[in-house]
Amino acid sequence: EPEVTQTPSHQVTQMGQEVILRCVPISNHLYFYWYRQILGQKVEFLVSFYNNEISEKSEIFDDQFSVERPDGSNFTLKIRSTKLEDSAMYFCASGWISGGATDTQYFGPGTRLTVL
Amino acid sequence: RKEVEQDPGPFNVPEGATVAFNCTYSNSASQSFFWYRQDCRKEPKLLMSVYSSGNEDGRFTAQLNRASQYISLLIRDSKLSDSATYLCVVNQGGAQKLVFGQGTRLTINP
Repeated sequence: EPEVTQTPSHQVTQMGQEVILRCVPISNHLYFYWYRQILGQKVEFLVSFYNNEISEKSEIFDDQFSVERPDGSNFTLKIRSTKLEDSAMYFCASGWISGGATDTQYFGPGTRLTVL
Repeated sequence: RKEVEQDPGPFNVPEGATVAFNCTYSNSASQSFFWYRQDCRKEPKLLMSVYSSGNEDGRFTAQLNRASQYISLLIRDSKLSDSATYLCVVNQGGAQKLVFGQGTRLTINP
C-alpha cells in the first residue's frame, strides 16, 4: 500500500537555525499538506499546496515558514529561524480530489522537531 | 467556541465493553467528517469516514447529525488493540484543511 514518507524522523536544532523537513507524498496525489502537533495538544493545520502554489495557510504559517516542491516528488517545509515554540511533531499529508467523492488525507509518520 | 469539541476522557474500559465517543463541530459549512485514531507519538490514521446515513465497519459504527452538528463513534466488543486516542475530524469538503478535535484517549484493560 502506498504511503507518505518523511525524513528525518527526529531533528534537533538550536534556536535561530534553519531546518528543512522533507516529505515524499503518495505519487498520484495532487494536494499536499503540513500539520503540526505540539506535545499534548491537538493536530493543527499549517498549509496546503496544490499545483505548485500555496492554496491555504493558517495563522501559524508566518514569514518564517515556507514550502516547496522542488523536484516533483519531494515536498519540503522550511523554518528559517527556529524558535523554542516550534518544537512539535510535524506531519506531512497528501490527498486528491476524486470527482465529488469525499477526499481523504493520508499522513506520514512525522518529524519530531526539538528546538533547544 | 472550539471548532471541533470532544470529551477529552480518558476512558478506561474492560475488554469486550462497548465504548461511545461524541463530538460536536461549530462550522455549519463542514461537509466531510472523519474519525482518525492516533497511537502514542504516531501519525493520525483514518479509521472511517462518517456519512449522513450512518455507516458501519465491523465493530465500529459512526453516526452524523447535521442538524445538531454532532458526530459519534461506537466501538463494540472492544479489544486491547483499540487502545489509542480517537480524533474527530471535519473539513469543508474536497481538498480543504482538516480541523481536528483534541482527541479522546481510550484504554482497554484486560
